[in-house]
Amino acid sequence: DAGITQSPRHKVTETGTPVTLRCHQTENHRYMYWYRQDPGHGLRLIHYSYGVKDTDKGEVSDGYSVSRSKTEDFLLTLESATSSQTSVYFCAISDWRGTEAFFGQGTRLTVV
Amino acid sequence: KNEVEQSPQNLTAQEGEFITINCSYSVGISALHWLQQHPGGGIVSLFMLSSGKKKHGRLIATINIQEKHSSLHITASHPRDSAVYICAVESGGTSYGKLTFGQGTILTVHP
Repeated sequence: DAGITQSPRHKVTETGTPVTLRCHQTENHRYMYWYRQDPGHGLRLIHYSYGVKDTDKGEVSDGYSVSRSKTEDFLLTLESATSSQTSVYFCAISDWRGTEAFFGQGTRLTVV
Repeated sequence: KNEVEQSPQNLTAQEGEFITINCSYSVGISALHWLQQHPGGGIVSLFMLSSGKKKHGRLIATINIQEKHSSLHITASHPRDSAVYICAVESGGTSYGKLTFGQGTILTVHP
């Protein structure tokens, strides 16, 4: 299995609080992604990174920011959590376009 | 219209049956992925295709680039195959490996 770890695995937080999710990889892959999975919408891209300090927005980036200060870590931050951000968040990595993607186990976030 | 459409959305089968899940897409792609997700579980990559056909055990994936269509087949299905199967595509050009997903097919295999 690819070395990709998400933390925390579960979190309950209150509306308006900041939340940071961490994705850690040991594969030295260049590309990292944050997706969210919601019933009726499937998986959608939030942000992605194509190198250290190189990030860009995805389809559903409003309310989220990311940072990648080193190859192995990709952080997703909800600056002020809202109930609409209750979701399951998946991190993924890949080595190059057109190669296999590996997914983390997911983080279930509930905003109350 | 979604860029990636899967059919059927739900599929129920008896153990031993041959299963086909279909995926159609509307954009030019550099690769197509088939993924598996068990209830409450993570997402596992089954196949990555850019042309032709791949086989792994009882699973076979095919792609027809001209028709913008892919199929995932499961031969001799087993209850442990029960999961959600997700088709995802990488667009052509400078996509950085970003994936666009279908809605998934929920497969239930009864003993």
